[in-house]
Amino acid sequence: NAGVTQTPKFQVLKTGQSMTLQCAQDMNHEYMSWYRQDPGMGLRLIHYSVGAGITDQGEVPNGYNVSRSTTEDFPLRLLSAAPSQTSVYFCASSYSNRAYEQYFGPGTRLTVT
Amino acid sequence: RKEVEQDPGPFNVPEGATVAFNCTYSNSASQSFFWYRQDCRKEPKLLMSVYSSGNEDGRFTAQLNRASQYISLLIRDSKLSDSATYLCVVRESSASKIIFGSGTRLSIRP
Repeated sequence: NAGVTQTPKFQVLKTGQSMTLQCAQDMNHEYMSWYRQDPGMGLRLIHYSVGAGITDQGEVPNGYNVSRSTTEDFPLRLLSAAPSQTSVYFCASSYSNRAYEQYFGPGTRLTVT
Repeated sequence: RKEVEQDPGPFNVPEGATVAFNCTYSNSASQSFFWYRQDCRKEPKLLMSVYSSGNEDGRFTAQLNRASQYISLLIRDSKLSDSATYLCVVRESSASKIIFGSGTRLSIRP
């Protein structure tokens, strides 16, 4: 049971480039979400999904797209990277949107120059 | 005003000490409360949920005060391994909205 996996662990992008951060879970969790963590800001919700085919925006969705074609995968796409998107990105999953425990992936450290 | 506020610390205490920190939340309709622990450069992990009646897990005690809108975490007989950042997490009545505090950094010295 790998839990929540994220790739890549580190990434450097130039302004304007696009890329996809991958997230997968093997726990058959319905609820998945993406957060970004910046110093002094805590984790902020970008997008979330309550099941395959259903996604919704969180607190800071601008500049990001998501899709949920399967229960297992929830990729996050940066459309046109900006220096303000330099951050640590965490993917999380839980059994449902009312489950008390979220399981986090190890994170992706993204730098945009 | 932030929706969930924590003292960022750092709290620097000797091994064996008791340390407590609070977290305040602004939405009185918030329903569920948690403490997560995050080690340096790692992902957050659930430490404990916080129940209205208060709850204890070994050396850790969590309390909820709905009237004053704060939750607290007490760590007794602190260990070096308790050094981490502690995140306060609040789930609002809309279950999809989960708000993380920015964390309180705790450092235990020998």
